[in-house]
Formats: sequence, C-alpha cells, structure tokens
Amino acid sequence: QKEVEQNSGPLSVPEGAIASLNCTYSDRGSQSFFWYRQYSGKSPELIMSIYSNGDKEDGRFTAQLNKASQYVSLLIRDSQPSDSATYLCAVTGGSYIPTFGRGTSLIVHP
Amino acid sequence: GAGVSQSPSNKVTEKGKDVELRCDPISGHTALYWYRQSLGQGLEFLIYFQGNSAPDKSGLPSDRFSAERTGGSVSTLTIQRTQQEDSAVYLCASSSQGLNEAFFGQGTRLTVV
Repeated sequence: QKEVEQNSGPLSVPEGAIASLNCTYSDRGSQSFFWYRQYSGKSPELIMSIYSNGDKEDGRFTAQLNKASQYVSLLIRDSQPSDSATYLCAVTGGSYIPTFGRGTSLIVHP
Repeated sequence: GAGVSQSPSNKVTEKGKDVELRCDPISGHTALYWYRQSLGQGLEFLIYFQGNSAPDKSGLPSDRFSAERTGGSVSTLTIQRTQQEDSAVYLCASSSQGLNEAFFGQGTRLTVV
C-alpha cells in the first residue's frame, strides 16, 4: 500500500512568516513529487513539482526533496492571508498514478 | 482548450438513476485520471487511462462505476443506479506523461437525493 502522509493541521502562521509544510511517502520507487493548493470548494491547483534531491525555488515557494529520508517539504516565504488553503502533497512512481496525502490546512492570520 | 474541462459542474440526481460525467483533457495529454473527493476528505483514486486503455481501474468502488476514453481524448465516467454514498466531487486530471505534472479540471459536484 503506497502511502503519503501529511499532518492535517491546521498550521497557523502570522502574515509575513515562513510556513513549512511536510510530507512523507512510503514507496521508495517514487520519482515525481508535487504540491497542490486547494481552496475550499475548488479543485487542486498545481504549485510546485520536484523530481531530484535538493531544493527548487519558484517565487515565494521552495520545494525540498530528500529521497533517502522519503521526505518532501514546501516552504512558503512571506506568507499572505491569500495563502490560506489546504496543501496537498502528491507522489508518483512506477504505476504512473499520483497518490495524494490528505492535505495540511494552512491558516495565515493578519 | 487551455485547461481540463469537466461537465456538468453540478449534478443533482435521484437515487437509482444513472449519471454520466464528462472530462475533456488538455490537448495532447495522454494520461487521464479520475478521482473522487467526499466532503472534508482526501482524493480517492478511481481510474487511470493511458491513451484509450485503462491500465489501472482498481479504484472503482463497485461494478456500478465504469469509465471509457475515446480518441485518446474525452473520457466519460458513468455511475449506474446511484446511491447516496456516491455524493462527492468527481475530479478529472490529465498529464502529458505518467510521471509529469497533472492538472485538474474544476470538478463535478454530484448530489444523490
């Protein structure tokens, strides 16, 4: 059973702070890693993808991957109230099917 | 189209009726996925298409659920004899290849009354 685990939260951070979201996965054969943002009542929106160990930065977002530890994280710098949403971690391996975690709820308060 | 398109956006049906949900993927995307998301829950995988074939349909909850894809493009998810527990948002996603980024449509909210 391939599993993707996330802390359900909510994670509450003040505006302007760094939000750190974490995800672990069980399938060592996983090759592709994604972060999605889902606002209430909306569908998931892709915000970051990462395929190799290390960091990948895109604007205020940084994805970090450590395959040895089977760990992927998302950092959001200068958090804004508009970042308040559920963040879903997804992992794809040899089955070519993205497996999703249940998501972490992020609340950014002014 | 620019993105994944699903129709209808909302569907209310009576228990026992059949429903068809449609997904139009991003042009050129060979991989297509159906997921289901119940209120406050995570994404539940239903079926994966590569081209017109479905290598993995292990997530379909029962034999009342079926899906097909034609022309390597549009996919239809059919639920027969709907039950109240089928009420959920049905999400379709497509990807250029199996390991690449998947993009979601806006979903179909199904309510069985």
